[in-house]
Amino acid sequence: EDKVVQSPLSLVVHEGDTVTLNCSYEVTNFRSLLWYKQEKKAPTFLFMLTSSGIEKKSGRLSSILDKKELSSILNITATQTGDSAIYLCAGYNAGNMLTFGGGTRLMVKP
Amino acid sequence: DGGITQSPKYLFRKEGQNVTLSCEQNLNHDAMYWYRQDPGQGLRLIYYSQIVNDFQKGDIAEGYSVSREKKESFPLTVTSAQKNPTAFYLCASKVIAVTGELFFGEGSRLTVL
Repeated sequence: EDKVVQSPLSLVVHEGDTVTLNCSYEVTNFRSLLWYKQEKKAPTFLFMLTSSGIEKKSGRLSSILDKKELSSILNITATQTGDSAIYLCAGYNAGNMLTFGGGTRLMVKP
Repeated sequence: DGGITQSPKYLFRKEGQNVTLSCEQNLNHDAMYWYRQDPGQGLRLIYYSQIVNDFQKGDIAEGYSVSREKKESFPLTVTSAQKNPTAFYLCASKVIAVTGELFFGEGSRLTVL
């Protein structure tokens, strides 16, 4: 059974801090890993990672995949209150099925 | 605009009643999914469908049923057999056979009184 674990479960920081969220996976015949941000309702897509060691970047957010360590990190620099959300990661297996982790709840205080 | 529409957004149900959550997409996606999310937790797969008139159970299918009579529609029925149905339900879709982005609806929050 495929498994994705995220850490920490929750995190409280102040505006301007840098945070690193972790995602580890045990996915049969792993294909790719996705990161989503969920504020109140629908998760919104952030990144898809398929190649190890190649950083994806969007503004203050960046993510990288380490296939050797079966893990990924999501970095957020200069955090803002608008970054407060649940961050979800999910891994695809060869059967094109996606398994989600439990999420990391980030709260950014002013 | 293309997207996924879920309704109702909020629903209250008495114990013992079946309820049906609607999910409609105009993205022309073949694959559709239903997830359940409990407070502070990730997403768990209930059912999925990759083609009309065919669907498969996910990890937590007990107490739920689905149908896929049209490509655009994938309704979920929460039956009285579901012991703890209060949760946030998300419908999603994507292009089949591609490990790409999963598109989500806005969700339906079900509360059992």
